[in-house]
Order: sequence, then C-alpha cells, then structure tokens
Amino acid sequence: QKEVEQNSGPLSVPEGAIASLNCTYSDRVSQSFFWYRQYSGKSPELIMSIYSNGDKEDGRFTAQLNKASQYVSLLIRDSQPSDSATYLCAVNNGNGNQFYFGTGTSLTVIP
Amino acid sequence: NAGVTQTPKFRILKIGQSMTLQCTQDMNHNYMYWYRQDPGMGLKLIYYSVGAGITDKGEVPNGYNVSRSTTEDFPLRLELAAPSQTSVYFCASRINTGQPQHFGDGTRLSIL
Repeated sequence: QKEVEQNSGPLSVPEGAIASLNCTYSDRVSQSFFWYRQYSGKSPELIMSIYSNGDKEDGRFTAQLNKASQYVSLLIRDSQPSDSATYLCAVNNGNGNQFYFGTGTSLTVIP
Repeated sequence: NAGVTQTPKFRILKIGQSMTLQCTQDMNHNYMYWYRQDPGMGLKLIYYSVGAGITDKGEVPNGYNVSRSTTEDFPLRLELAAPSQTSVYFCASRINTGQPQHFGDGTRLSIL
C-alpha cells in the first residue's frame, strides 16, 4: 500500500466550477498535511497546510482533513484557467522528519 | 530573499561521470531535503538532514551521497552516473517539524 494515494486524473472542470481533489494516507500518526501546486516544468509551490480535523479556508481554496478516515482534500472554488496544474498531497510521517508525497492529480480548467 | 537556490539548472552527464548538485538556503532552516521526480511520478526522497552534521537516508539513496557541514548548504553527490538517474532533482528546506517545505527551482539532469 502506498503511503499517500491520489487520483492521478486528469480532472477537467469548466471555468467557474468547483474542483475537488482527494488524498488518502496510511500513517495513522501523521499530524501535518500539505497541498502543493506544480506547474509543468516548475517546482512545487505550497498552497495550504492543515493540522486539525475540519476545514481550513484561504481565499478560493479550502482544505479538509478527517484523521479518523485518513483523508485530506482540497476544494478550489471559482476555478480559473490559471489553476490548471498538478496538485500534490504531502503528509508528514510519524516522527515528523520526512514527507510522503502522492503522485499528484492533474487539473485542467477549461475556459 | 533568495530562498532555496539550486545549481546548475540543467546538466548532461555521460555514463560513469560524477557531479555534485548544489543547494543552499538563506532562511536559517534546520531541515533540508533532496528529492527526485521522474515523469508522471511523485517526489521520491533521496536524503535528508535535520541539522548541520546530521544526514539520513530516504526512500531511494542508492547511487547518491550527501553532506551537511553548514546550516546553509546541502550538496548531493552522484558517483558513477547511470541512465536511471536521469531525473529532475529538487532541494527543499523547512524551519522545523510540522512546518511546510520550500522548494528550489530544480536541476534537470540527463545521463547519456
């Protein structure tokens, strides 16, 4: 079983719609969770950090965490063509020193 | 602020050659990481360091070596380059446990 699993996509949504990206993880003691955006040919860029169960909102982005279900998600409201990228889910391991990354979900926002 | 700086940005090596990928950060971060990213794949951890003088292996350390003599620098050494090491290499740093990582721009390495 992979440490972090994401649907690879591609996920296509029309401009203005809500994009929903999902991630599951296997390490039950993980405490820190992150979403990164990666444009083609570029390095990962931090979008959201979440540490507690529930929702965390930042502008058009909402991260959701459910530790009991070992599930973290990212919602992008009012999707824009500039949101087209690969989104990486990252989870801190139990001792906090290492990160596990999913393979990423490719999102395309259609104008 | 420069953040995390990686050099070179691109490099082509011949099989069997050696080289060092440089990574430096100016944020006084304790933790530093080296990842490789192959097409369509996630980031695989090669080595990491929790502070100067301390390094540890990640998921895919074979064929690589690191050192951490200062807080700022975390070079990655490739000995006897092999085609399987063709990849994009990212260096990242963070201040402490629980905090997110910040990535450099990457080094695109081809071994022919």
